Amino acid sequence: DIQMTQSPSTLSASVGDRVTITCRASQSISSWLAWYQQKPGKAPNLLIYKASSLESGVPSRFSGSGSGTEFTLTISSLQPDDFATYYCQQYDSYLTWTFGQGTKVEIK
Amino acid sequence: EVQLLESGGGLVQPGGSLRLSCAASGFTFGSYGMSWVRQAPGKGLEWVSAISDSGGSTDHADSVKGRFTISRDNSKNTLYLQMNSLRAEDTAVYYCAKSRLVTRDSMDVWGQGTTVTVSS
Repeated sequence: DIQMTQSPSTLSASVGDRVTITCRASQSISSWLAWYQQKPGKAPNLLIYKASSLESGVPSRFSGSGSGTEFTLTISSLQPDDFATYYCQQYDSYLTWTFGQGTKVEIK
Repeated sequence: EVQLLESGGGLVQPGGSLRLSCAASGFTFGSYGMSWVRQAPGKGLEWVSAISDSGGSTDHADSVKGRFTISRDNSKNTLYLQMNSLRAEDTAVYYCAKSRLVTRDSMDVWGQGTTVTVSS
């Protein structure tokens, strides 16, 4: 099974900071990677699909990059609404998906 | 409006069974793959099960294989998760989610979740 490892687990940042979260796959997943944002008590929200495609309605300060085994999610200028937990998810293996363990973005 | 509404959660004793349902509306349900994802209290997201648009292909996480079964009724626009031999570690919020375009895809629509508690 494909394992997904995110880093860091927790990130402290200030409004306006540039934030980068990394996700590594245990084997190549091409570009079959998504990023989600989740706020407490709410369902996850899709931000990025196919590693770098921005989901409709998602602010352009969010961007994704990478392919193969290493991927990044970047928030260019952190806003108050962005303090949340972020998850990567691979969908390379048909019908067998895996999430990373999550990265919590906290207020510094 | 595209919507998913889960139901069927509750308190069940270890070894018991529950069937979760996910009612879909606002889109052509039978054209999309669907998944169940769970989140234990204070923990991260865990993919549980997925099913193709026709229902002909399914898969489950190793942690639930042999105990949980995903299915769908496209005539009723409803996704199901039959959960048997429940364990304390199955306690979680269970979300259903829709594949964005094709079955092998990200998940763009999520339900609000239904809570399953396994305890004596």
